[in-house]
Amino acid sequence: AQSVTQLDSQVPVFEEAPVELRCNYSSSVSVYLFWYVQYPNQGLQLLLKYLSGSTLVESINGFEAEFNKSQTSFHLRKPSVHISDTAEYFCAVSDKGAQKLVFGQGTRLTINP
Amino acid sequence: GAGVSQSPSNKVTEKGKDVELRCDPISGHTALYWYRQSLGQGLEFLIYFQGNSAPDKSGLPSDRFSAERTGGSVSTLTIQRTQQEDSAVYLCASSSWTGTGNSPLHFGNGTRLTVT
Repeated sequence: AQSVTQLDSQVPVFEEAPVELRCNYSSSVSVYLFWYVQYPNQGLQLLLKYLSGSTLVESINGFEAEFNKSQTSFHLRKPSVHISDTAEYFCAVSDKGAQKLVFGQGTRLTINP
Repeated sequence: GAGVSQSPSNKVTEKGKDVELRCDPISGHTALYWYRQSLGQGLEFLIYFQGNSAPDKSGLPSDRFSAERTGGSVSTLTIQRTQQEDSAVYLCASSSWTGTGNSPLHFGNGTRLTVT
């Protein structure tokens, strides 16, 4: 069965510093990959997704993630974070042909001024 | 347009009581999911409905948990004889059906269940 591991439960960084949130998944079959974000007191929302094509995908607020099939990873990065990026970030994976979406444990990103 | 709506937003119940949590998905979305979010546990898949197909119940933690979806729209998650370990935020999500799993989920704001 598919599983997702987010290695860091909490990541504190200073404002304008770069950040990487790590995500690894277990299955070697073809997959779709997602990052969801949950801002304080808000519901989960889609940040970005990889379905096919270019292995590097970007969000509208400067985050990017790269699909690495050989390492079964989909790490999320941002070169310079803002206070407004404070949130919990969830990596999720679904096997192609299956509708079930499996989530990681989440990473709480805290931005310090 | 309206998003996924869940009610109640908060529910406090005594151990041993039954509770019902409701979810109204986005109109036209045929896929509906229930997840449970516990502190430090991430999102735990509970159950998935797609159209008139048999639901995927593989994530339900015990037979005290059940869910139904009437008319392919509204869904109710029922927890019988609640236990303190059932305390969590219960999230509902819906998506359009693509047959391949690439459609993103739209989440409601959840129901926070506290069992005392």
